[in-house]
Amino acid sequence: GNSVTQMEGPVTLSEEAFLTINCTYTATGYPSLFWYVQYPGEGLQLLLKATKADDKGSNKGFEATYRKETTSFHLEKGSVQVSDSAVYFCALSISSGSARQLTFGSGTQLTVLP
Amino acid sequence: DTAVSQTPKYLVTQMGNDKSIKCEQNLGHDTMYWYKQDSKKFLKIMFSYNNKELIINETVPNRFSPKSPDKAHLNLHINSLELGDSAVYFCASSQGGLVSDEQFFGPGTRLTVL
Repeated sequence: GNSVTQMEGPVTLSEEAFLTINCTYTATGYPSLFWYVQYPGEGLQLLLKATKADDKGSNKGFEATYRKETTSFHLEKGSVQVSDSAVYFCALSISSGSARQLTFGSGTQLTVLP
Repeated sequence: DTAVSQTPKYLVTQMGNDKSIKCEQNLGHDTMYWYKQDSKKFLKIMFSYNNKELIINETVPNRFSPKSPDKAHLNLHINSLELGDSAVYFCASSQGGLVSDEQFFGPGTRLTVL
């Protein structure tokens, strides 16, 4: 079956520190990969995505590269801000007949301290 | 304008009651979803509808019944509520044609069963 394994949190960093959140996946076929972010009290919103091997998704200083050889999609940011404090979800989407469903990792809580 | 809206935002009820959560999207998307997020933030797909037709029905108790009166609405009705149903329920929508399609999430409904 399809699954996503994410680095367990919580992660606490100081402002301007470097961030890495690890994500690996198992899928039959060719998934698209996503990072979604959930700010406190809100729904999820797309942070970035990559649709094929070696694609790099980037947004708001975050980036992740689709690595087929290591089945990974690690999230990185060079200098985090307090406003980046949120829960980050890695997810994959794959076709199953007429259905397209997201399979999520368990989420990683990030807290950035001033 | 809110893209995906849910009502109510909070729902507190007694065990055994029946309740409904409403979802509407104004994005013109073809596909809508319900997800359940447990207390550890784990997100799992419950249902997916495409143009009012059920296409994903994960292992969910049949006390949960989705209803899609038109492609802009996907409501969730829950009969005989149990303590374990306490969670945050998210509605989402996507254009639905491609695995790379972004899903847009509502703000969530926090259900507490006493």
